[in-house]
Amino acid sequence: GEDVEQSLFLSVREGDSSVINCTYTDSSSTYLYWYKQEPGAGLQLLTYIFSNMDMKQDQRLTVLLNKKDKHLSLRIADTQTGDSAIYFCAESLNSNSGYALNFGKGTSLLVTP
Amino acid sequence: GAVVSQHPSRVICKSGTSVKIECRSLDFQATTMFWYRQFPKKSLMLMATSNEGSKATYEQGVEKDKFLINHASLTLSTLTVTSAHPEDSSFYICSAPIPGTSGSQAFGPGTRLTVT
Repeated sequence: GEDVEQSLFLSVREGDSSVINCTYTDSSSTYLYWYKQEPGAGLQLLTYIFSNMDMKQDQRLTVLLNKKDKHLSLRIADTQTGDSAIYFCAESLNSNSGYALNFGKGTSLLVTP
Repeated sequence: GAVVSQHPSRVICKSGTSVKIECRSLDFQATTMFWYRQFPKKSLMLMATSNEGSKATYEQGVEKDKFLINHASLTLSTLTVTSAHPEDSSFYICSAPIPGTSGSQAFGPGTRLTVT
């Protein structure tokens, strides 16, 4: 399928906010997700947003969705060193595959003290 | 809750041999499971959808005779890489939809396959 686009690398200082951006491909995607992958570990669902929403906030995480531009962003407030990981944006594939996902390449977030 | 395990976590095999990777949902049933492949510095790519009680659905470009999928029960799907070659070396991850959620999936920890 087409590529979900993400910047590959982001570096922020501890305590600052991080914003990870994503451009997805399928305007009919029902759900959009953010997953986190720590080194040597599997994928962990961070949050998701339904396509009819513009924003979702969950503690330090804020997801913004611009359906017109097919743009999704994840903001992490008060970023901590433990937030260092790879963050994947994913769109739900509306096909016979059911809930399968189309992932971006991942953004590697490095949080420095 | 909603834990998916994979076994083995890491495997090294010789060219020409076959390798089986197991994906288990530990505390929920999964009539569908998904197999992804992750290349270095690249995204996860959906390989196939595993369906309990029926044939797997493969994505375009994935050889079904090379990547055999069997969904033996409501908690187990296996991926067998047949006649493995070095280019099959990769990180394979499975996932299963979590019942009662908005399409969220539980992912296994992944299996690192190295073919020598």
